[in-house]
Amino acid sequence: GENVEQHPSTLSVQEGDSAVIKCTYSDSASNYFPWYKQELGKRPQLIIDIRSNVGEKKDQRIAVTLNKTAKHFSLHITETQPEDSAVYFCAASTNAGKSTFGDGTTLTVKP
Amino acid sequence: GAVVSQHPSWVICKSGTSVKIECRSLDFQATTMFWYRQFPKQSLMLMATSNEGSKATYEQGVEKDKFLINHASLTLSTLTVTSAHPEDSSFYICSARQAQGNNEQFFGPGTRLTVL
Repeated sequence: GENVEQHPSTLSVQEGDSAVIKCTYSDSASNYFPWYKQELGKRPQLIIDIRSNVGEKKDQRIAVTLNKTAKHFSLHITETQPEDSAVYFCAASTNAGKSTFGDGTTLTVKP
Repeated sequence: GAVVSQHPSWVICKSGTSVKIECRSLDFQATTMFWYRQFPKQSLMLMATSNEGSKATYEQGVEKDKFLINHASLTLSTLTVTSAHPEDSSFYICSARQAQGNNEQFFGPGTRLTVL
């Protein structure tokens, strides 16, 4: 089955700095890669996603890049703010819709 | 649009009892729903995939007789934790995929189960 690895497990940055979280996947059939932000005790919230026919996608301060050949994708958050502090999960999904999640990254943005 | 609800939001039960959790897609039809379990400070672990009108597909290591899933309609899936034990205490989250949509999943708010 699919295996998704996510790094780092924790990340601390100063407000205004950039944060980068990286994931790798193993199943070449995966074609949908969402990123979620989860606050304590709440549901995962989709913040950005990318499909396998695209190499990069940007939405304001958030961007995602995908390298299908290397089977890795990354989340980039620029100009970080304290409210960006949360746990971030990457996931890989096939057409069947079943998603495999990474282990999560706890991001702390220090004011 | 694409709202998913879960009920109850939290439940406390005694060991040995059964607990039913409902997952509803409020404004769309969901042919497929997914049930996840999340322990503190861990990732979401897929338990099973629930397909409307057919048997659920369970992930390896998940006991189908302990975690009963029923997906009786295009808007409702239920997870029943039978004979619950303290180690079943966890955050259970469902998600739904639109019948005519892409791969995007819409998550419910989760149910916090505590077994005493």
